[in-house]
Amino acid sequence: DQQVKQNSPSLSVQEGRISILNCDYTNSMFDYFLWYKKYPAEGPTFLISISSIKDKNEDGRFTVFLNKSAKHLSLHIVPSQPGDSAVYFCAASDAGTYKYIFGTGTRLKVLA
Amino acid sequence: NAGVTQTPKFQVLKTGQSMTLQCAQDMNHNSMYWYRQDPGMGLRLIYYSASEGTTDKGEVPNGYNVSRLNKREFSLRLESAAPSQTSVYFCASSAPTIEAFFGQGTRLTVV
Repeated sequence: DQQVKQNSPSLSVQEGRISILNCDYTNSMFDYFLWYKKYPAEGPTFLISISSIKDKNEDGRFTVFLNKSAKHLSLHIVPSQPGDSAVYFCAASDAGTYKYIFGTGTRLKVLA
Repeated sequence: NAGVTQTPKFQVLKTGQSMTLQCAQDMNHNSMYWYRQDPGMGLRLIYYSASEGTTDKGEVPNGYNVSRLNKREFSLRLESAAPSQTSVYFCASSAPTIEAFFGQGTRLTVV
């Protein structure tokens, strides 16, 4: 039973436009959510996070939105750049267990 | 700034052989993790250690064992490798309420 789901395996966006990546979760105990970016042959690197007490967090071109009632989060990248082309994973954690559960990833391709 | 270091980077095993993947972190983190990444499956948690002296099963623990040797080191052992364990393995570490930091990965092929 997959607790964190990314239903879009891939996404293509023109350079300069907005990229929106989506993630759904099923476990209502999750209270901390993260997005990671992964390039080929490298480990995932942290991008941005959000606590369940917030509904939005911004860091430069990256914004994460959390809708707790829908158990849904999204990552917005504006404007998208070719260097953003990578696989993006969302992850969730609950403070009681210390473990991070990841989604299946979305491959983003930003077209120049 | 080494962060999380995994060895080896690549490994080919024959079915039935055993091996241990090593992981060390220098960030004084309490928690450490082992994940595997397979196409279409994302990152799946194998085992984790919330703190030194404790280990717990993750989503896909079968066929693996772990040892939290000390606060810095967390190893993953395959006792009898199977082709289904062909994957890229990532070690990670974290402190409470912060993100996990990942190593560069070990690409394992079991033939």
